[in-house]
Amino acid sequence: NAGVTQTPKFQVLKTGQSMTLQCAQDMNHEYMSWYRQDPGMGLRLIHYSVGAGITDQGEVPNGYNVSRSTTEDFPLRLLSAAPSQTSVYFCASSYADKDYEQYFGPGTRLTVT
Amino acid sequence: GENVEQHPSTLSVQEGDSAVIKCTYSDSASNYFPWYKQELGKGPQLIIDIRSNVGEKKDQRIAVTLNKTAKHFSLHITETQPEDSAVYFCAPNTGFQKLVFGTGTRLLVSP
Repeated sequence: NAGVTQTPKFQVLKTGQSMTLQCAQDMNHEYMSWYRQDPGMGLRLIHYSVGAGITDQGEVPNGYNVSRSTTEDFPLRLLSAAPSQTSVYFCASSYADKDYEQYFGPGTRLTVT
Repeated sequence: GENVEQHPSTLSVQEGDSAVIKCTYSDSASNYFPWYKQELGKGPQLIIDIRSNVGEKKDQRIAVTLNKTAKHFSLHITETQPEDSAVYFCAPNTGFQKLVFGTGTRLLVSP
């Protein structure tokens, strides 16, 4: 089992560029989510999905889009990058009946200049 | 929404000492109380959790205690070791992936 994988590990974008952060899990988890982690702010939920075809907004969804066409993949799209989106992004997954036990990926460090 | 606070924000101890981190929350509907450990350059990892119908849970050197009336729960680490150095997050939740993480406690264990 690879667990939760994220690509890329590092990315630098210019303001206004768009990109997609990839997330995949091989544990057949129903739930997947995206968090951003900023210094002194803990982890904040961006978007989450309770199953293929179903997504919902978290605490800080503005500027991000998600879709869930398969159980395994949950990409996060930045539509028009802004310096305020400089952060470390984590993808996580869990079983539906154990959603408090989330498995996190290694993270993507994004810098927007 | 849930309001979560952790104290202290940093904690320095000597190897072998005990460490206690406290988490307070506001949503009385919270019924799962996990603690995550994040090592440098990695994603958080669940280390222990407790449900609302249990007051205390132990797993070797770590334990979690819950006071639902006062809306706080604590992580206790005994006989600390250098490998316990990390950032610890609480994440009280009501389910459905609505985890709200605390701002974290950086624990440094000096040999």
